[in-house]
Amino acid sequence: DAKTTQPTSMDCAEGRAANLPCNHSTISGNEYVYWYRQIHSQGPQYIIHGLKNNETNEMASLIITEDRKSSTLILPHATLRDTAVYYCIVSPYGNNRLAFGKGNQVVVIP
Amino acid sequence: EPEVTQTPSHQVTQMGQEVILRCVPISNHLYFYWYRQILGQKVEFLVSFYNNEISEKSEIFDDQFSVERPDGSNFTLKIRSTKLEDSAMYFCASTAEGVNTEAFFGQGTRLTVV
Repeated sequence: DAKTTQPTSMDCAEGRAANLPCNHSTISGNEYVYWYRQIHSQGPQYIIHGLKNNETNEMASLIITEDRKSSTLILPHATLRDTAVYYCIVSPYGNNRLAFGKGNQVVVIP
Repeated sequence: EPEVTQTPSHQVTQMGQEVILRCVPISNHLYFYWYRQILGQKVEFLVSFYNNEISEKSEIFDDQFSVERPDGSNFTLKIRSTKLEDSAMYFCASTAEGVNTEAFFGQGTRLTVV
């Protein structure tokens, strides 16, 4: 599986957009990019996923570069409840198994 | 909103004892998973289950572990003879389809082996 690289931690201002980067330079053509988050020790929560095109849902937007070697998760208006560990995961088509890394500890500051 | 439920939320057991962790996946989901997270470490895949059989398992999922879907709603993880290093949060997850779709996770069972 392609590996991902994320910052270990970052702070974001409440009410502002939070841009969470992820590098996946060895991604292959059939691999999807997934984002999950984990608040405290709760179960991981799905946020969004995509293959090539940018995606948006009620939680976030996913911007994937044209070469697919990196992506950015955008939380449009960060709230204190968005404080969590965010995981960027690359997974091949047909693979059910999620390989979680250490993630990015995001703290939203008032 | 549909959710995956897990019981108990916390289980304390003595080393060498058998434990069964229970999960009720989302009702129309067909694929079920167990993950674990040792305190301070990554979330690790254990096993996936579809059509009443294991579809994939990790190297962690050795002969001490087993999974079962005993009825139409429950999905269980059994650890036959617990070890101290089995202490972890265990998360159940389910997906509607098998490929490239969102996984719904339960809130976890914290297993403490003493």
